[in-house]
Amino acid sequence: GQNIDQPTEMTATEGAIVQINCTYQTSGFNGLFWYQQHAGEAPTFLSYNVLDGLEEKGRFSSFLSRSKGYSYLLLKELQMKDSASYLCAVRDAGGSQGNLIFGKGTKLSVKP
Amino acid sequence: EPEVTQTPSHQVTQMGQEVILRCVPISNHLYFYWYRQILGQKVEFLVSFYNNEISEKSEIFDDQFSVERPDGSNFTLKIRSTKLEDSAMYFCAKALAGSSYEQYFGPGTRLTVT
Repeated sequence: GQNIDQPTEMTATEGAIVQINCTYQTSGFNGLFWYQQHAGEAPTFLSYNVLDGLEEKGRFSSFLSRSKGYSYLLLKELQMKDSASYLCAVRDAGGSQGNLIFGKGTKLSVKP
Repeated sequence: EPEVTQTPSHQVTQMGQEVILRCVPISNHLYFYWYRQILGQKVEFLVSFYNNEISEKSEIFDDQFSVERPDGSNFTLKIRSTKLEDSAMYFCAKALAGSSYEQYFGPGTRLTVT
């Protein structure tokens, strides 16, 4: 079966660093994505990993270990606007155009 | 980021009625997707569309659903006879060709079935 696990909620302080973990067990794997979703809005693309290691993009970094079925999203210098849900998604097998399998999302609350 | 527009932003319909949700990708892309998100739940894949044909579909995408690209630009999702449980946000997404084919989501259509 397809299973993607991430914590339901997290709280962090403005200016701090937070790490959101994601573990996955899927029948196929062709990349892992992180999306940000503010309440009532569409998911917006944050990062993509297909090889093991760390990808850095400004205040956001994402890490992947394929052997462990594990990824994390690291957010630095947290801002109030970072309060949102963060969705971990695995692209199923089927080439680069395969559909995404989403986790339930982690709701991050940033406090002053 | 490639732009995707969806209409309407909100659709209210009665159970048993047909609805058509529209997606307009601004630029040309080969791969399109429909996802839905029931309130408070995860985003779920419905169907992917490639080269004017269905590429893949999930178990959710049963005979009540259909997709078309009627005029080469608009991309539609039709639900023939809506049920209460079809109430959800419906997102159109398109894949940007390249090394990662990341998927960009439209703003969504909120469908409310009463």
